[in-house]
Amino acid sequence: GIQVEQSPPDLILQEGANSTLRCNFSDSVNNLQWFHQNPWGQLINLFYIPSGTKQNGRLSATTVATERYSLLYISSSQTTDSGVYFCAVDNQGGKLIFGQGTELSVKP
Amino acid sequence: GAGVSQSPSNKVTEKGKDVELRCDPISGHTALYWYRQSLGQGLEFLIYFQGNSAPDKSGLPSDRFSAERTGGSVSTLTIQRTQQEDSAVYLCASSGGLAGELFFGEGSRLTVL
Repeated sequence: GIQVEQSPPDLILQEGANSTLRCNFSDSVNNLQWFHQNPWGQLINLFYIPSGTKQNGRLSATTVATERYSLLYISSSQTTDSGVYFCAVDNQGGKLIFGQGTELSVKP
Repeated sequence: GAGVSQSPSNKVTEKGKDVELRCDPISGHTALYWYRQSLGQGLEFLIYFQGNSAPDKSGLPSDRFSAERTGGSVSTLTIQRTQQEDSAVYLCASSGGLAGELFFGEGSRLTVL
């Protein structure tokens, strides 16, 4: 099955800093999503982005499907950005596979 | 409903008992997914439904696990003869269709003593 690798596994930032999270996948995909899991465990859908670039406020994402990677950019980070960021992909029309996540901690 | 609803939010049970976890998806969503997340781990795919059909059951950990969906809406995940290793948060998500955006519920935290 398709493999998903996220990097870095952990990241500590000072409030106001920028960061880039990466997701590599092993096969072509028809679905790619980025999620944020907050410290209380709730998973929030950030981007549905099997290809192209999207922006939502301080967050943006780019997927280069031909090169099998996606990037999530966080600018001017805030303490509320802390949590785990997951990339999930699907190439079979149903089975969305999650990476192991990047745990982000933003310090005030 | 407005969002994906899961119940119970917390369940503590004794080893060997059966448990049922319920998921009520967003109204109109045809696809429904179950995942499991152990403490500090990523999300493990269990099963998905398109309508009432489950094309891929390969993620179910053992034959003690089963799931059904009726009326294209509510789904139930049943774990028989629970074991301590079944302790985890069970997450349900729904989507307007396969390869669509997933929206997650808040999960059911299962603790097996």
